[in-house]
Amino acid sequence: GAGVSQTPSNKVTEKGKYVELRCDPISGHTALYWYRQSLGQGPEFLIYFQGTGAADDSGLPNDRFFAVRPEGSVSTLKIQRTERGDSAVYLCASSSWGNEQFFGPGTRLTVL
Amino acid sequence: AQKVTQAQTEISVVEKEDVTLDCVYETRDTTYYLFWYKQPPSGELVFLIRRNSFDEQNEISGRYSWNFQKSTSSFNFTITASQVVDSAVYFCALSDLIQGAQKLVFGQGTRLTINP
Repeated sequence: GAGVSQTPSNKVTEKGKYVELRCDPISGHTALYWYRQSLGQGPEFLIYFQGTGAADDSGLPNDRFFAVRPEGSVSTLKIQRTERGDSAVYLCASSSWGNEQFFGPGTRLTVL
Repeated sequence: AQKVTQAQTEISVVEKEDVTLDCVYETRDTTYYLFWYKQPPSGELVFLIRRNSFDEQNEISGRYSWNFQKSTSSFNFTITASQVVDSAVYFCALSDLIQGAQKLVFGQGTRLTINP
């Protein structure tokens, strides 16, 4: 079956612009997670959804970051007024109840 | 707070050698889960194993084996008879389980290079 997909695979933007990153989880997975991976580091948790609601957004670095999952499936991570420090690979993962997470290929965001 | 430490930043061995990747964790939870993920050059994280804190049995899957020791808070990963295709960055991770979801805390990763 299809795995987790993320679009775009690469995004280059200018400082101060707004970006949206999309994640399509595995069908039927109720939990969806966003992580951010900087070069040479392990992924860092940002937010996760259980169904449509954000169950834990404690990892979002500041209020420029926001994520939604309006119908309990696809999720969008939104970043306002991007900064060079936001450059990283943004990873999405999904899981069924109580089970391991499966990751997508990531979106590489570069802020110039 | 939860923390995972992978002290080995990079390891390089010759094909067919055995290699062990170390992972030490910190948590105040009595129930928790430990994971290993592989990140090949393509970049996508591949799930390898999950263990819960109540199950200290070692596990073997083909050339891979895992040694979980609660007494030393370690969850080490051994690859036997390594192959070039094992070259990747390996991450150890820790989580609790709340409402059916697991928020992963990752280590810094160990870059493993298998030379032919």
